[in-house]
Amino acid sequence: AQSVAQPEDQVNVAEGNPLTVKCTYSVSGNPYLFWYVQYPNRGLQFLLKYITGDNLVKGSYGFEAEFNKSQTSFHLKKPSALVSDSALYFCAVSPSHAGRRALTFGSGTRLQVQP
Amino acid sequence: GAGVSQSPRYKVAKRGQDVALRCDPISGHVSLFWYQQALGQGPEFLTYFQNEAQLDKSGLPSDRFFAERPEGSVSTLKIQRTQQEDSAVYLCASSPGTETYNSPLHFGNGTRLTVT
Repeated sequence: AQSVAQPEDQVNVAEGNPLTVKCTYSVSGNPYLFWYVQYPNRGLQFLLKYITGDNLVKGSYGFEAEFNKSQTSFHLKKPSALVSDSALYFCAVSPSHAGRRALTFGSGTRLQVQP
Repeated sequence: GAGVSQSPRYKVAKRGQDVALRCDPISGHVSLFWYQQALGQGPEFLTYFQNEAQLDKSGLPSDRFFAERPEGSVSTLKIQRTQQEDSAVYLCASSPGTETYNSPLHFGNGTRLTVT
């Protein structure tokens, strides 16, 4: 069975500073990894994914994530945070075999960017 | 274009009542998922459809939960004899292909179910 851990319930950062939201995973075989963002009273929106290839993945709104196989991590990063980035962020993993198609989500990290 | 639409947006049910939650996926999307999101938690998988076929219902928490997608488009999640622990946001998501392990999901805004 696969699992995702997001060790921080909340991350606070000042506007203009770099941000990191942490994620570690456990899955048999090769992982497919995703980041989604959720704004209040809305569904989740896709940010970026890692399937294969370059360990640094670039996504929407200036976000990027770094896949580290040895540390089984997929941390979300942004060089310069905006107040509008404040939201709930979810890391998710999917097994690489086709029999189980569902994503397994972490418990989420609330990002608060202060002006 | 239109996204995934869910209705109702909010539902209050008395314990023991049956409820039906509707999902209109993006037109032409083959794959459809239902997730349950408890307060302060991440979404948890309930069930998966590929067109009209329910290929995975391993996440349904009890036999009170039932989902269908009879014509391969609109889906309904039904909860019978609701209990307080069923209170959550129910999210529907669709995806254009069948290789969903490498395709992003398009989520609706969810239905917030409160059981009193």
